[in-house]
Amino acid sequence: DAEITQSPRHKITETGRQVTLACHQTWNHNNMFWYRQDLGHGLRLIHYSYGVQDTNKGEVSDGYSVSRSNTEDLPLTLESAASSQTSVYFCASSDRTGQGGYTFGSGTRLTVV
Amino acid sequence: AQSVTQLDSQVPVFEEAPVELRCNYSSSVSVYLFWYVQYPNQGLQLLLKYLSGSTLVKGINGFEAEFNKSQTSFHLRKPSVHISDTAEYFCAVSEWGAQKLVFGQGTRLTINP
Repeated sequence: DAEITQSPRHKITETGRQVTLACHQTWNHNNMFWYRQDLGHGLRLIHYSYGVQDTNKGEVSDGYSVSRSNTEDLPLTLESAASSQTSVYFCASSDRTGQGGYTFGSGTRLTVV
Repeated sequence: AQSVTQLDSQVPVFEEAPVELRCNYSSSVSVYLFWYVQYPNQGLQLLLKYLSGSTLVKGINGFEAEFNKSQTSFHLRKPSVHISDTAEYFCAVSEWGAQKLVFGQGTRLTINP
């Protein structure tokens, strides 16, 4: 069965370190998205991609970067982790029509100490 | 640009009682509408969606929603809730031809025995 997987599920890192969160999907979806979820803020879009070599900034992109070298993967990198980036991160994917909605991964809980 | 407002941040109900979670959207064009459910420590799962046609849509776990164009609403209902329905529920909208969803802030549904 097709799926979307995130790794790791939990991560603790120190302030200032570079961290990369992985997202891999086997749906063959063109679109991939990264969100963070914090109490009181709902889901906030960090970055998204509509295809290979395409990346776009979302509403909270400062301090984050992504690259899309193939259809299956959209890794999220925190260039220099800060305590404000402690959050739960969700990856999602969708097809081009938009009619199927998103398929979400199970999330990565990141703690920056 | 489209936006979504979930009118209640928390909804407590007793087991076996009916429930309605309210969602209003704003858009100048035709839209697709979605409801997602997030159980504790999990990712978001699609409950149901409205693309076109019949305004009453049925989803998983006994939920249904009604699209009301004149009131720009897409309220979620269930006639009799169970303890297992305790979760956070998100309403989302995308404009026809767009590939990005806009999410509401979420409604936390708590079922009391």
